[in-house]
Parts: sequence; structure tokens; C-alpha cells
Amino acid sequence: GEDVEQSLFLSVREGDSSVINCTYTDSSSTYLYWYKQEPGAGLQLLTYIFSNMDMKQDQRLTVLLNKKDKHLSLRIADTQTGDSAIYFCAETFTGGGNKLTFGTGTQLKVEL
Amino acid sequence: GAVVSQHPSWVICKSGTSVKIECRSLDFQATTMFWYRQFPKQSLMLMATSNEGSKATYEQGVEKDKFLINHASLTLSTLTVTSAHPEDSSFYICSARDTGTPRGEQFFGPGTRLTVL
Repeated sequence: GEDVEQSLFLSVREGDSSVINCTYTDSSSTYLYWYKQEPGAGLQLLTYIFSNMDMKQDQRLTVLLNKKDKHLSLRIADTQTGDSAIYFCAETFTGGGNKLTFGTGTQLKVEL
Repeated sequence: GAVVSQHPSWVICKSGTSVKIECRSLDFQATTMFWYRQFPKQSLMLMATSNEGSKATYEQGVEKDKFLINHASLTLSTLTVTSAHPEDSSFYICSARDTGTPRGEQFFGPGTRLTVL
């Protein structure tokens, strides 16, 4: 099956940039997503990138995709305390029937 | 944006009872909904794909007789945990696929916390 790995924890200071990384094994990805989950809540879609793109910027969020290395990252500029949450990368893939495969999740803690 | 609701948001039940969780798409029709399970500090694991008007497709290792899924309308899917036991305690999250979006995007419900005593 597909494996999607993330580092477990990231701590940054308010105002700094955060970079959350994700590696995946499936080479037939179609779309790759970043979701945010706050405690006890569902998932909020932050952004996505099509698998033939290298970069996408959306306000404070920048997504970089290195398809050769199967590496996806999410950069949050000017990180705020409200950004503290768990972040999941996810992918859909050819033949997957729109099923999402989620990464292991990265807990981001923003400190003052 | 599209809104998906779940009911109840939390439930505590005794071992051996059955619990029904509802997932509704509030402002769009969803022919496909997904049910996930999430253990504390872990990722979401897909349990099954719920298709309106037909049988659900279960992921490997998920007991279909234990987790009954009904998708009787374009806006409602239900998950019934039958004869629940403490090991079924988990956070259950549904999503609904909006075919009106270019990517058939999934929108997630807020989750249901199930605790089985």
C-alpha cells in the first residue's frame, strides 16, 4: 500500500516561518493536499497541488512538490498561535477512486 | 464553502449496545461519502466508501457486519457501530465528495467521539 510519512512534531516561534514536510511512496499521485486539524475537530482543507506542478502559493501558504524525490512541503509564513494544530498531507492517486491516503500528521506548536 | 455535519458530536455508551452516527452534506449533494476512524495522536484510517443507493465498499480488515453503512439519500450517510465494545472507542470522521467541484473535493465533518464503557 501507499506510505505517506511526516515528522511528528514541530515547534516554532510566533512570527517565524514553519516548514512541514511529507514524503510519499506512490508515483501515481494525482493531487496532493494539506489539511489542518484542531483538537477534537474535523479536517480543514488548507491547500492542494496538482501532481504536475512544482509550487503553489496561497497567501501565507507555499506548497513545494519535488516529484522526483516524492517530497511535499508546506511553508507557513509569519506563523501565528492560531496556526497551532495537527497538519496532515494527503494524496489521491490514479486508480484510487478518489480515496485519500493520509500522512501520519505533524503537530505544530507555535510559541510566543 | 460546502458544509458537512455529523451527529452526535460525542456519545458514551455501554458495551454491547449499538450506536448510529449520521453524516449530512448540508448544501450539496454527495453520491459518495467516506468514513474514517482516528485513534488519539494518529492519522485517519479509511474504513469504507459509502455510495448512494448501493452497498458500501469496505477497506481491508474492516468488518462490514460490525460497521453498518447506509447511504439512503444524496445528503445522508449513516454508520452504525453494532454491539460496540471498548476497543471501538475512537474518533469517527466522515467526508462527503462534492462532484460539483473540479477535483471532486472531499469536505469533512467535525467528527464524532465514541466512548464505549
